[in-house]
This record gives sequence, C-alpha cells and structure tokens, in this order.
Amino acid sequence: AQTVTQSQPEMSVQEAETVTLSCTYDTSENNYYLFWYKQPPSRQMILVIRQEAYKQQNATENRFSVNFQKAAKSFSLKISDSQLGDTAMYFCAFMIVRGAQKLVFGQGTRLTINP
Amino acid sequence: EAQVTQNPRYLITVTGKKLTVTCSQNMNHEYMSWYRQDPGLGLRQIYYSMNVEVTDKGDVPEGYKVSRKEKRNFPLILESPSPNQTSLYFCASRQLPGLGSSEQFFGPGTRLTVL
Repeated sequence: AQTVTQSQPEMSVQEAETVTLSCTYDTSENNYYLFWYKQPPSRQMILVIRQEAYKQQNATENRFSVNFQKAAKSFSLKISDSQLGDTAMYFCAFMIVRGAQKLVFGQGTRLTINP
Repeated sequence: EAQVTQNPRYLITVTGKKLTVTCSQNMNHEYMSWYRQDPGLGLRQIYYSMNVEVTDKGDVPEGYKVSRKEKRNFPLILESPSPNQTSLYFCASRQLPGLGSSEQFFGPGTRLTVL
C-alpha cells in the first residue's frame, strides 16, 4: 500500500524567512507524480507544485521549490521569502499512474507565518 | 471559467436521513472522485469514476454510494448517514494521465455534520 507521511503537524516562522516542509512516501511503483497542495482558511485545495517521478530536476514555482530525493522517497517543499498569505495547511500527495490513480495524501502540516 | 462545483456547501442533518451531495465539472474530464478530510488523517478517497457508468471503491467507501450517469456529474449519496460521517467532503476531477495534465481540480468542499 502507498503511504505518505508528513512528520511536522505544525510549523511557525517569521515573515520573509525560508521554511521547509517535510514529506516522505512509500511505494514500490516507479511511475508516479508528487504534489504539494495548500489549503487556506477558505478550505479550497490549491495546487502549489508538482513533480513527475521520472524527472530528476527539482520543480520550482516562483518562491516554492521542492527537493525530490527518489531513492530516499523524500519530497520536501521549500518556501522562500515567506508571506502572510502563505499561512495555510499544506498537504503532500502522491499518485501512481495506473489502476485507481488516486491521490494519496499525507496528514498535513499547519504553517503559520507571523508578522 | 473552468471549475468543479459542489452543493450544498454546508449541511447539518440527523442520523438516518438520506442525503445527496452534488458535484459537477465543466472541463469534460473523464476522472472524478470524492474525498473526505478529517483532522490528522488528511484526505482519503471514498469513490472514483474513470468514465460514465464506471465507478469503483476508494479507501473508505462504507456508507456511501455514487453514480455517474453523465460525464459532468458525480453525486455522492449517503443512504443512512451516521455521526462518523461528519466530515469535510471534496469532489475532484481531472483528465486521465496520458491525455494531458495530471492536475486534479477540487471543488470548494462540503461541510457535513450528522447529529
């Protein structure tokens, strides 16, 4: 069975600091996608960044970047120059590209950016 | 505007009273699914559908039913709701992998309380 683990239930940093959220996953598959989703207080699920497992280069989207370590099955999210609007719950998720193709989510990390 | 809509957004009901949460998408996506979100557990898949008249169980299907009679609609039915089904529910849709983006589009969520 595929599992995703986020070991940090809560994190808090000052505005403009850099913060890294951890995520590990377990699978025997070789072809899959990894995602980070943001859930602000509005509860909307917003895709932050995505990584295809076959790509070695780490994905980057503006202030958001990932450190994808396939052998270690690790997929951390780095937020640079954090902003108050980054305050949200962050979910790491994983999807294999066959069968049910479901998203498997981690437990979430509640991130607070302090002014 | 490309979107996934859910109704109702909030619902308080009593044990045993049948209810339906509707979900509709306007992106002509083949794949639709339902998730429930509970504290400390992340999001878990309830049911999914890969096309019209094709549905299958996810990880937590007990107590739920779905149907897919039209491509755009994927209602979630609780025949006899119980308090342990109190949760935040998300509908989601996407293209099947290989046909385009892996991005999953989420509805705004439905907060259900069963008394």
